[in-house]
Amino acid sequence: QQQVKQSPQSLIVQKGGIPIINCAYENTAFDYFPWYQQFPGKGPALLIAIRPDVSEKKEGRFTISFNKSAKQFSLHIMDSQPGDSATYFCAASMKAAGNKLTFGGGTRVLVKP
Amino acid sequence: GAGVSQTPSNKVTEKGKYVELRCDPISGHTALYWYRQSLGQGPEFLIYFQGTGAADDSGLPNDRFFAVRPEGSVSTLKIQRTERGDSAVYLCASSKFAGDYGYTFGSGTRLTVV
Repeated sequence: QQQVKQSPQSLIVQKGGIPIINCAYENTAFDYFPWYQQFPGKGPALLIAIRPDVSEKKEGRFTISFNKSAKQFSLHIMDSQPGDSATYFCAASMKAAGNKLTFGGGTRVLVKP
Repeated sequence: GAGVSQTPSNKVTEKGKYVELRCDPISGHTALYWYRQSLGQGPEFLIYFQGTGAADDSGLPNDRFFAVRPEGSVSTLKIQRTERGDSAVYLCASSKFAGDYGYTFGSGTRLTVV
């Protein structure tokens, strides 16, 4: 019940394209859904996050879409740039459980110039 | 400090040896988390502290793993009798308090057991 499943494992797009990464969760008690970006040799960095009472959130070129009934959420990267090439992780947590994160398996995104 | 600091950044040890990994959280952050990230996978929760006490250690894989945070600031993750399967990046994160959504991760310690 603690799993978060992420797809695809990898993604290649041309500059300006829109990579879309999907995640599904099982535990309906999760109340916070962040996305992290990780570059090689670095720790994950918070990109954007959403609560389950909101269906969409935009921050700059990054958009989260959230479907509570389907227990799914996705990340869209608008007008992608080569500098966006990184590994992206979705995650989920519960404030009542101290906000310990359950991560998806990650998606390696490559944006070609 | 400005960010979460982890030392060493790399550690190579022989199978069966004992290792200690250190995490220095952001000043004033009372919650501290340890995660383990195996190659090509997402981080997995190990343990978190609220202040000096371990609030949840359900992710520690077995009794060879232990963590402390004696003064509510720096934390040390200790691994006894290391095995090759312990090889991974060990990540530390801190937040103002447990339940606060503003996590900051360190760059991790890459542990290699040979």
